[in-house]
Amino acid sequence: DTGVSQNPRHKITKRGQNVTFRCDPISEHNRLYWYRQTLGQGPEFLTYFQNEAQLEKSRLLSDRFSAERPKGSFSTLEIQRTEQGDSAMYLCASSFWRGGDHNEQFFGPGTRLTVL
Amino acid sequence: GEDVEQSLFLSVREGDSSVINCTYTDSSSTYLYWYKQEPGAGLQLLTYIFSNMDMKQDQRLTVLLNKKDKHLSLRIADTQTGDSAIYFCAGQGANAGKSTFGDGTTLTVKP
Repeated sequence: DTGVSQNPRHKITKRGQNVTFRCDPISEHNRLYWYRQTLGQGPEFLTYFQNEAQLEKSRLLSDRFSAERPKGSFSTLEIQRTEQGDSAMYLCASSFWRGGDHNEQFFGPGTRLTVL
Repeated sequence: GEDVEQSLFLSVREGDSSVINCTYTDSSSTYLYWYKQEPGAGLQLLTYIFSNMDMKQDQRLTVLLNKKDKHLSLRIADTQTGDSAIYFCAGQGANAGKSTFGDGTTLTVKP
């Protein structure tokens, strides 16, 4: 298994454009998480899925952000009408949750977004 | 919500022990985690501790948990230059939902 992959690794866009990122989790992982990380800070939770169901969304996830996991495998994160404040590293993680509170998340390398 | 705080920088000499500290506010976090992030790489889980434990040792890593003070520490014995990285502590929400991360401690190991 090659781990969690994310595409693209880097994205430069102009303010107002829409962007879409993709995350491919480790196969058979039922949970998939999205985080955002800005320079000098830790990852901030955005949303997570269990299979295809989106179970929680952060208040950080404005209506310009939407995430999907249509078949319970890969996920996409779309940002509409990008703003300079959206510039960050977007991290995806996956896990195989068996119940309970422990959950080892495996992180991808991230997609770095720069909004000009 | 959960707040997780860490000191920002730590510098040690190769071969010394490193101690990275973390405080958290949400006592309902039943698992607490330590991650390592190297430049240009994703986060790598190093170790974790269940909240009813005081200590966990895993090779060169020792995690201490003071639940009363909501204080977590990571000790790295015999620190090597390859340990230079950013270290994050994180609390796991109920039913292993979202994780809340601190802002990271940058560890620099000098030869």
